[in-house]
Amino acid sequence: KNEVEQSPQNLTAQEGEFITINCSYSVGISALHWLQQHPGGGIVSLFMLSSGKKKHGRLIATINIQEKHSSLHITASHPRDSAVYICAGGGADGLTFGKGTHLIIQP
Amino acid sequence: NAGVTQTPKFQVLKTGQSMTLQCAQDMNHNSMYWYRQDPGMGLRLIYYSASEGTTDKGEVPNGYNVSRLNKREFSLRLESAAPSQTSVYFCASSEARGGLTDTQYFGPGTRLTVL
Repeated sequence: KNEVEQSPQNLTAQEGEFITINCSYSVGISALHWLQQHPGGGIVSLFMLSSGKKKHGRLIATINIQEKHSSLHITASHPRDSAVYICAGGGADGLTFGKGTHLIIQP
Repeated sequence: NAGVTQTPKFQVLKTGQSMTLQCAQDMNHNSMYWYRQDPGMGLRLIYYSASEGTTDKGEVPNGYNVSRLNKREFSLRLESAAPSQTSVYFCASSEARGGLTDTQYFGPGTRLTVL
């Protein structure tokens, strides 16, 4: 069974700080997704990675296939970035989701 | 485009009652999914449909049935609700047939409470 572990579970930071959320995954996962769940509950896909690095605005996602590790970075964090960030590994049985990182950015 | 829509948004049931959660997508996607989200746990796949006319069990299918009515619609039925089915239910879709690893687009969720 595929496994995905995220850290930290909770993260509180000040506006402007550089944020890193980590995700480790098991053998059998071929694609790694990062999603954002808003305080209202809606879920949005941010990135899908199978190698390298992707950037969208202030969000950067990287993946190291050899180490089975991915990171999501947020530069110049803002209170509107406060949300739960979820990593999910894609494999033969579909997506396996981490438990999420609850991020709070304080003004 | 509305994307993925779900009805109802909230529902309270008594143990033993039945109900159907509705999901529709207007993106011409081939694959559709039903997940449940419980506190302290990641999203878990209940059932999925890799293409119109097919459905398959996910990680936690017991107590649920699904119907892929057409390409747009994928419903989830609870025949005899139990308190353990209290959860938030999300429907999602993705473009490819059998696209189990593809980017998925999520509906707004249905918050279900079973008393």
